[in-house]
Amino acid sequence: KQEVTQIPAALSVPEGENLVLNCSFTDSAIYNLQWFRQDPGKGLTSLLLIQSSQREQTSGRLNASLDKSSGRSTLYIAASQPGDSATYLCAVRTFQGGSEKLVFGKGTKLTVNP
Amino acid sequence: SAVISQKPSRDICQRGTSLTIQCQVDSQVTMMFWYRQQPGQSLTLIATANQGSEATYESGFVIDKFPISRPNLTFSTLTVSNMSPEDSSIYLCSVSTRVTDTQYFGPGTRLTVL
Repeated sequence: KQEVTQIPAALSVPEGENLVLNCSFTDSAIYNLQWFRQDPGKGLTSLLLIQSSQREQTSGRLNASLDKSSGRSTLYIAASQPGDSATYLCAVRTFQGGSEKLVFGKGTKLTVNP
Repeated sequence: SAVISQKPSRDICQRGTSLTIQCQVDSQVTMMFWYRQQPGQSLTLIATANQGSEATYESGFVIDKFPISRPNLTFSTLTVSNMSPEDSSIYLCSVSTRVTDTQYFGPGTRLTVL
C-alpha cells in the first residue's frame, strides 16, 4: 500500500529565505507526483505536476524534483514571501485497490515571517 | 485547467440529518472524485464518481452513508447521510481528464455537525 510522508510537519522561516520541503513515498510505481498548496479553510491549488518520467518541473520561484527510484521529491521555494504561508501537500498518483488514485501526505505547514 | 464550484461552501447541520453537496465543472471531465479532510488531517478519497453508473467507494466508505450521483460529465453530488459530529469535515470535489493530467480541486464544503 502506497504511503506518502512529508517532512517537516511545520516550518517557520524569515522572509527572503530559500527553503526545501521533502516528500517520500513507499512504492515507486507511480504515474506522477503533484504538489499542492492549501490555505486555511480552503481547497487545494495545484502548484506543479511531475510525470514519472521527468526529473523536475519549475514554475516561477518554485522548483520540484522527483527521484522515483528512491521514492523522493523535494519542493524548493526561492526567496520566500509572507504570501507563501500555507500548507503544502504532496500527492502521488498510483494504482491501488483496483483503481488509480491520488495518495496524499499529511502536509508541511509553512509560515514565512515578515 | 478546470474551474470547479461547490455548493454549499459551508453548512452547520443537526445530528441525524442529511446534506447534499453539489460539484459543477466548467468543462467535460473523465474522472470526478470526492475527498474528505477531517480537522488537522490530510485528504482521504471517499469514492470515484462514475458517469451513468454506481460510484466506486474506497475501503471504509459505503453507499448508504455517502450516496453519489453523476448524471453527466460536468456535475456530481455527494450526500452525507444520517450525520454525526464525526462527519464534521471539509468535503472536496476533484476532477481530472487523464491519469497523466493535473488533478484539480474545488474550493471545498466545510461541514459542521452539532
